[in-house]
Amino acid sequence: DAGVTQSPTHLIKTRGQQVTLRCSPKSGHDTVSWYQQALGQGPQFIFQYYEEEERQRGNFPDRFSGHQFPNYSSELNVNALLLGDSALYLCASSFMGTSGGIHGQYFGPGTRLTVT
Amino acid sequence: SQQGEEDPQALSIQEGENATMNCSYKTSINNLQWYRQNSGRGLVHLILIRSNEREKHSGRLRVTLDTSKKSSSLLITASRAADTASYFCGPFRGGADGLTFGKGTHLIIQP
Repeated sequence: DAGVTQSPTHLIKTRGQQVTLRCSPKSGHDTVSWYQQALGQGPQFIFQYYEEEERQRGNFPDRFSGHQFPNYSSELNVNALLLGDSALYLCASSFMGTSGGIHGQYFGPGTRLTVT
Repeated sequence: SQQGEEDPQALSIQEGENATMNCSYKTSINNLQWYRQNSGRGLVHLILIRSNEREKHSGRLRVTLDTSKKSSSLLITASRAADTASYFCGPFRGGADGLTFGKGTHLIIQP
């Protein structure tokens, strides 16, 4: 049973550039949530995708956008990168279905983004 | 979303001892999830406790939930060096609600 996978593992970008991170959910899951974890902090919720739509969003600017594909995989896009965007980006999957996502969120290994 | 706050921020104990960490949250929840994170890696799902449950066990882990006090605790018994990690709690209201974590409890197990 494949768990949540993310790519790439590490990424170095320059200020002002754009980046795309990818996530494949755990088998049987239909919902993907994205989190940003700065050094020494807990993960902060960016947004959640279900049925290819953004369902909920945390306190992040519009530079952060996403997409969910028909196979439930997801992308996180960040435009006009700032130094402060350097962080570990985590993807979590869950099953929304008829249960409302109450069976838990399962995280991937993360993508370490460094902005120079 | 519900912010979980973990306490203490750091905890150092001897191998073999028990470790207890606490979580407080603000409003009603459907469930609460505990996670472990080893340095720089993803969060590992440890245990989920539902709002109608008071206690749950999984191996050396025991989780309690007190919805009247909006608090939870995670007990790790007979600690091992491999338990050294940061531990986070994630209160969950349901639906599209995201999990919003505190800074976690950093647990160090000394040999």
